Amino acid sequence: DVKVTQSSRYLVKRTGEKVFLECVQDMDHENMFWYRQDPGLGLRLIYFSYDVKMKEKGDIPEGYSVSREKKERFSLILESASTNQTSMYLCASSFSGARANEQFFGPGTRLTVL
Amino acid sequence: AQKITQTQPGMFVQEKEAVTLDCTYDTSDPSYGLFWYKQPSSGEMIFLIYQGSYDQQNATEGRYSLNFQKARKSANLVISASQLGDSAMYFCAMRETQGAQKLVFGQGTRLTINP
Repeated sequence: DVKVTQSSRYLVKRTGEKVFLECVQDMDHENMFWYRQDPGLGLRLIYFSYDVKMKEKGDIPEGYSVSREKKERFSLILESASTNQTSMYLCASSFSGARANEQFFGPGTRLTVL
Repeated sequence: AQKITQTQPGMFVQEKEAVTLDCTYDTSDPSYGLFWYKQPSSGEMIFLIYQGSYDQQNATEGRYSLNFQKARKSANLVISASQLGDSAMYFCAMRETQGAQKLVFGQGTRLTINP
């Protein structure tokens, strides 16, 4: 079974703190993605990576950065958390190229910034 | 640019009835894939069904089927014989075949099945 895990289910941080959200997948997927989910807006792509050390901005990258030092791990970093980054964060992974089909999602991290 | 529209924020259906969740899309890419995901209250995203733009037949997976009308750019999800456990958020998504293969999601529809 494909497994995508995220470091925390719930996280509470203060404004200005640096926040790390970690995602690990065990299926040797090339692609990894970070989304945020807000009511009425669906899921919006923050960043994605199609290979180790490669990253591309998604639709809403402002205020975020990412790191992919190993194929199985993709980290989302909030350099200085703000209250408008309170949201559900979902990580996903998939194969690339001809093998690409559905994305497999982690359980999500509900982040609250006070 | 790709766009997915789900016009039903919420739907209420009696148990055992069939339900159709609407999804329309917009893309200039001739090759693309359409997905439906289910998100129960626990939060995880569960893949339900996939339709490729060149697939000749509508996709089916158990009680789920995708009513794909390419000319109308619609990809509605049909759930037959609904069950209480079908109560969840449902998201339609699209992926272009070329490039980074990222998903673009609709706003979601909250489905509630009444006993």
